[in-house]
Amino acid sequence: AQSVAQPEDQVNVAEGNPLTVKCTYSVSGNPYLFWYVQYPNRGLQFLLKYITGDNLVKGSYGFEAEFNKSQTSFHLKKPSALVSDSALYFCAVRGRYNTDKLIFGTGTRLQVFP
Amino acid sequence: SQTIHQWPATLVQPVGSPLSLECTVEGTSNPNLYWYRQAAGRGLQLLFYSVGIGQISSEVPQNLSASRPQDRQFILSSKKLLLSDSGFYLCAWSLAGGRKRTGELFFGEGSRLTVL
Repeated sequence: AQSVAQPEDQVNVAEGNPLTVKCTYSVSGNPYLFWYVQYPNRGLQFLLKYITGDNLVKGSYGFEAEFNKSQTSFHLKKPSALVSDSALYFCAVRGRYNTDKLIFGTGTRLQVFP
Repeated sequence: SQTIHQWPATLVQPVGSPLSLECTVEGTSNPNLYWYRQAAGRGLQLLFYSVGIGQISSEVPQNLSASRPQDRQFILSSKKLLLSDSGFYLCAWSLAGGRKRTGELFFGEGSRLTVL
């Protein structure tokens, strides 16, 4: 069965510091991995995805994520956090041959303090 | 480009009343369509998904139903709302078909339902 875990309910970071939001996954075969961001009372916005190739994926708003197959992780990172990055972040996974459903993590709330 | 529209944005309904939330997608054909519910601003629960007109898969037994009367229209309904139906409902779409499809979802702006 596919699953994804976001072990931190909340991550706090000072503006200008690097940030990491953690995600681990479990899926049969090679995964498709995704990160989404949600601002209050809004829908989820697609940030980036890993399909194949380079383990470091760059996405919107300066975010990037690193795929680590041995650790089954796909952590979201940003070198310098902004207050406007404060939001709810979701990791999601889909098996390569399961074409219909994404499995989402429970979300991590990122709070960036000025 | 593709767009997704979801309405109404906010709804307050009494217990026992009916519900209809509508979602339409433009700029693509034969998308996969999804309804999610988000409770208390956190995790997403997949309620229904559809891979074609009239084809609905239900993920969780509940008081809700879904229909897809047209290729790019997805409707979430209830005959009698319960207090527990309150939440933030999100419609989403993805490209359908083929192994090259990577499957990312694109979400609408959500509908906040409060059942009193």
